[in-house]
Amino acid sequence: DTAVSQTPKYLVTQMGNDKSIKCEQNLGHDTMYWYKQDSKKFLKIMFSYNNKELIINETVPNRFSPKSPDKAHLNLHINSLELGDSAVYFCASSRYGAGETQYFGPGTRLLVL
Amino acid sequence: GENVEQHPSTLSVQEGDSAVIKCTYSDSASNYFPWYKQELGKRPQLIIDIRSNVGEKKDQRIAVTLNKTAKHFSLHITETQPEDSAVYFCAASNTGGGNKLTFGTGTQLKVEL
Repeated sequence: DTAVSQTPKYLVTQMGNDKSIKCEQNLGHDTMYWYKQDSKKFLKIMFSYNNKELIINETVPNRFSPKSPDKAHLNLHINSLELGDSAVYFCASSRYGAGETQYFGPGTRLLVL
Repeated sequence: GENVEQHPSTLSVQEGDSAVIKCTYSDSASNYFPWYKQELGKRPQLIIDIRSNVGEKKDQRIAVTLNKTAKHFSLHITETQPEDSAVYFCAASNTGGGNKLTFGTGTQLKVEL
């Protein structure tokens, strides 16, 4: 069974479009995260949710809006996509917080043309 | 906020040699220090972690050391093998002060035959 899954795996789209990425974990974890990994491999936290509540919101453009319908799901919606949004987006989860092992999803490779 | 610096950015070793990757952190309140390995095109995965009440931890060929006074920690891989080739990330978090894991900039390790 896949512990943390993301869809889609690849996303190619035009500038200005709106897209969503979905994430699900079946580990029973309370905390979920979105990370962005750019072309230089830097891994940067974007958002963190604990039991459906937003607890970390880094300096991310408000074109990015996360939503957690329940503690097993964390989705990311991006409005008005820009070239600089091209990156790999990883979802992750941990049992209680950042002091626990984070389990990453396979990543969504977003290319904005 | 926390800042984690990681060196070197690339490291090339011969199979069987040892590899050492070093990180420094800025927030003296940080108390959890994991290391993640990311193979090409794959997700980051935890390989070892250490908490601030411990100075060293070993798991087979990998070990991590922590110097709280100097605010630095290191990953040591002995008897390197080709399958150790990957990008390695250090990270730090203050488990009592929020839910954020700050990653270093990554080290591309190449183990040559």
